[in-house]
Amino acid sequence: DADVTQTPRNRITKTGKRIMLECSQTKGHDRMYWYRQDPGLGLRLIYYSFDVKDINKGEISDGYSVSRQAQAKFSLSLESAIPNQTALYFCATSGPLNTEAFFGQGTRLTVV
Amino acid sequence: QKEVEQNSGPLSVPEGAIASLNCTYSDRGSQSFFWYRQYSGKSPELIMSIYSNGDKEDGRFTAQLNKASQYVSLLIRDSQPSDSATYLCAVNKGSNYQLIWGAGTKLIIKP
Repeated sequence: DADVTQTPRNRITKTGKRIMLECSQTKGHDRMYWYRQDPGLGLRLIYYSFDVKDINKGEISDGYSVSRQAQAKFSLSLESAIPNQTALYFCATSGPLNTEAFFGQGTRLTVV
Repeated sequence: QKEVEQNSGPLSVPEGAIASLNCTYSDRGSQSFFWYRQYSGKSPELIMSIYSNGDKEDGRFTAQLNKASQYVSLLIRDSQPSDSATYLCAVNKGSNYQLIWGAGTKLIIKP
């Protein structure tokens, strides 16, 4: 089983709908992240959390919200999906200080 | 100026040659540096991490770090078609240890 699991893997939704992407991890890491990736672009940080009580906005948080339900679970919500939120979404975790990030398999979201 | 910059490419290299990928960063307090490989539609996977000046070798991969000049590079020796991917540079920002990502360099290995 993957250490970082994202559900769903693929989702097509309509404009205006609320959608939640879920992420769970078994690595025991405190730090969790949500990224968005568009074709030809790098990873852009949406939100990050350094522990259960710590939630921080990233560079592109508008139109998104998150919930850190437990150390192992970090969910991303699109309150009212719009077509330009069509992208590949990644959840990632990392250990403390200078350690690398570990990624989930990604969720391909299409908003029509 | 972006905090982490990479040439977007594509960088085309013949099979068997050395591929050289470069990354520059702006935060002098950065302490750890990572190279990830990402195949199209897949998640990034860690190839190399480097924390101190100099070279670090792992098989066909060598990471090079020069903190004075604020650049980190990745060399891939004996390039194979399977090395064709986008390579992402990530830098651990000194102030709060948040990872900052470059936009990636697309590498194409031509048989």
